Amino acid sequence: DAGVIQSPRHEVTEMGQEVTLRCKPISGHDYLFWYRQTMMRGLELLIYFNNNVPIDDSGMPEDRFSAKMPNASFSTLKIQPSEPRDSAVYFCASTLLAGPNEQFFGPGTRLTVL
Amino acid sequence: KQEVTQIPAALSVPEGENLVLNCSFTDSAIYNLQWFRQDPGKGLTSLLLIQSSQREQTSGRLNASLDKSSGRSTLYIAASQPGDSATYLCAVPFSNAGGTSYGKLTFGQGTILTVHP
Repeated sequence: DAGVIQSPRHEVTEMGQEVTLRCKPISGHDYLFWYRQTMMRGLELLIYFNNNVPIDDSGMPEDRFSAKMPNASFSTLKIQPSEPRDSAVYFCASTLLAGPNEQFFGPGTRLTVL
Repeated sequence: KQEVTQIPAALSVPEGENLVLNCSFTDSAIYNLQWFRQDPGKGLTSLLLIQSSQREQTSGRLNASLDKSSGRSTLYIAASQPGDSATYLCAVPFSNAGGTSYGKLTFGQGTILTVHP
């Protein structure tokens, strides 16, 4: 398996623009997580899905953030409009509940909002 | 609410030393604990996962132990190498008064390890 795949790897945009981050989980995994990592706050869970259904979005900072999982092999995290304080590395991770629940992370998307 | 603490925050050692990284958690009702490695500018790589029924797991020069009753885990790295330099994070399933959220993890802040030649 190729592991968790994220795109783009780097994104530079201007304040006010819409940003869409993409994730393909490991095939067969039933949980998908979106995290954000900054120097100040460390690793934060934004939202997670089970079988494509959002379970907990309490970590989503504001209404500007939204996430979807239209099928088992694809998820998006959208920020609209983006702000400089959204600059961070965004990680996607997946796991299979019926197992050891080992969580596997993607390489991340480094977002810079100017 | 589950809280995870890692000590030390940073560690610098000469190559060849054996070292121990510590992780403590407040809610001992965990069903597993996972150790990750993160290289600068990279994602998290899973190193070891210990199930609640296990006391330790080994992978190469790495050995992780788990003591649920005391809320502690240690990651032992034998014969450290410069390539081991990275941030090491431990994570346990999230829990609060409402119970445990399966799949959701609570992370420690990490230990930054530097192994110098």
